[in-house]
Amino acid sequence: DQQVKQNSPSLSVQEGRISILNCDYTNSMFDYFLWYKKYPAEGPTFLISISSIKDKNEDGRFTVFLNKSAKHLSLHIVPSQPGDSAVYFCAASKGSNYQLIWGAGTKLIIKP
Amino acid sequence: EPEVTQTPSHQVTQMGQEVILRCVPISNHLYFYWYRQILGQKVEFLVSFYNNEISEKSEIFDDQFSVERPDGSNFTLKIRSTKLEDSAMYFCASSEDRGQGHQPQHFGDGTRLSIL
Repeated sequence: DQQVKQNSPSLSVQEGRISILNCDYTNSMFDYFLWYKKYPAEGPTFLISISSIKDKNEDGRFTVFLNKSAKHLSLHIVPSQPGDSAVYFCAASKGSNYQLIWGAGTKLIIKP
Repeated sequence: EPEVTQTPSHQVTQMGQEVILRCVPISNHLYFYWYRQILGQKVEFLVSFYNNEISEKSEIFDDQFSVERPDGSNFTLKIRSTKLEDSAMYFCASSEDRGQGHQPQHFGDGTRLSIL
């Protein structure tokens, strides 16, 4: 099932710089997109979401951008901090309260 | 901050045995979910539950699986006659009703199920 793809298994970023994580999807029926952060031995923690009627949503250091024509979304983290080192998952659904379809995750490493 | 809690954190079971995984969703949430992640693979949806019935399920959720809300706080996943390939991390999640707009799902820390 490749409906949601995160093509970068890992990303290394200098502390204080911008981290950009990417996600592509194929199903045009998706209308709700979420980013989760996961530490080892913990469950996914919700970070930020965006509905398909928007192209940007911002929450503190985190901004998600949605390009519907390209079926692409990205998560920007500015500035990156050591505590941001984790695996980041992109997920999509056909609406609220429906099943989430997950990407494979990107491991973000913030270098001091 | 309210959270989803799951017990046990690790369950080891002999193949063929029944296992029950337990979850306490966030108290004002109305939708409940189970997902699993087999080691090295993507997170996969199993089932969602609303108003005391299954609202959505995947192909994985066959007759071997069942869910129940036995009381006002717990949400359980039962796996009958477990198989080796059931070994995975099982995550419970909950969300508010979509009548409030798009609502994210919030996850517990998971139960690691090991089938021997």
